[in-house]
Amino acid sequence: EAGVAQSPRYKIIEKRQSVAFWCNPISGHATLYWYQQILGQGPKLLIQFQNNGVVDDSQLPKDRFSAERLKGVDSTLKIQPAKLEDSAVYLCASSLDLMGQGFNEQFFGPGTRLTVL
Amino acid sequence: QQQVKQSPQSLIVQKGGISIINCAYENTAFDYFPWYQQFPGKGPALLIAIRPDVSEKKEGRFTISFNKSAKQFSLHIMDSQPGDSATYFCAASIANAGKSTFGDGTTLTVKP
Repeated sequence: EAGVAQSPRYKIIEKRQSVAFWCNPISGHATLYWYQQILGQGPKLLIQFQNNGVVDDSQLPKDRFSAERLKGVDSTLKIQPAKLEDSAVYLCASSLDLMGQGFNEQFFGPGTRLTVL
Repeated sequence: QQQVKQSPQSLIVQKGGISIINCAYENTAFDYFPWYQQFPGKGPALLIAIRPDVSEKKEGRFTISFNKSAKQFSLHIMDSQPGDSATYFCAASIANAGKSTFGDGTTLTVKP
């Protein structure tokens, strides 16, 4: 079974530039998560989708971050404009679902390491 | 407010020793407690998980101990091996909500 794919693996940009990350979840997984992992900290949820609908985006800085999951499969996370404090690893995860049916294991991709200079 | 507190931040253990990582949570609505293992350059991977209706769960060399009244849980790695060297994260979830709240991680180094 193929895992969660993310690209790019690394990105270096200057502050105030924009950047986009792409995630392809495991086939058939209804729920997709984007986490931000700052060096030395645990992953922090940014946004959670079920199919193509947003379940939770309470911790997404909406003035600069946006995410979409068209057709309920692939997802993109965008930052515009980037700030120095956005330097982190951005992890995508997916789970089979189904909300309301107990915990479903989250499978994480390798992440995209973003450096903002 | 950090909802899941993890300690220690780093841990060095000799091969064959026992590694112990502790976590505490605040939100009593949490009802699922997974532990993740993360190697450099990789995403976290589920290692073992427990529900609060049991006090202990064992899978091979890995054991979770859970104390509901104290709102604490811990991971014990028996007979630690150099291949166990990684960062370990505890997490807490509301099972029906899906998402996890993570601790800040423990970097484990097992010396040969």
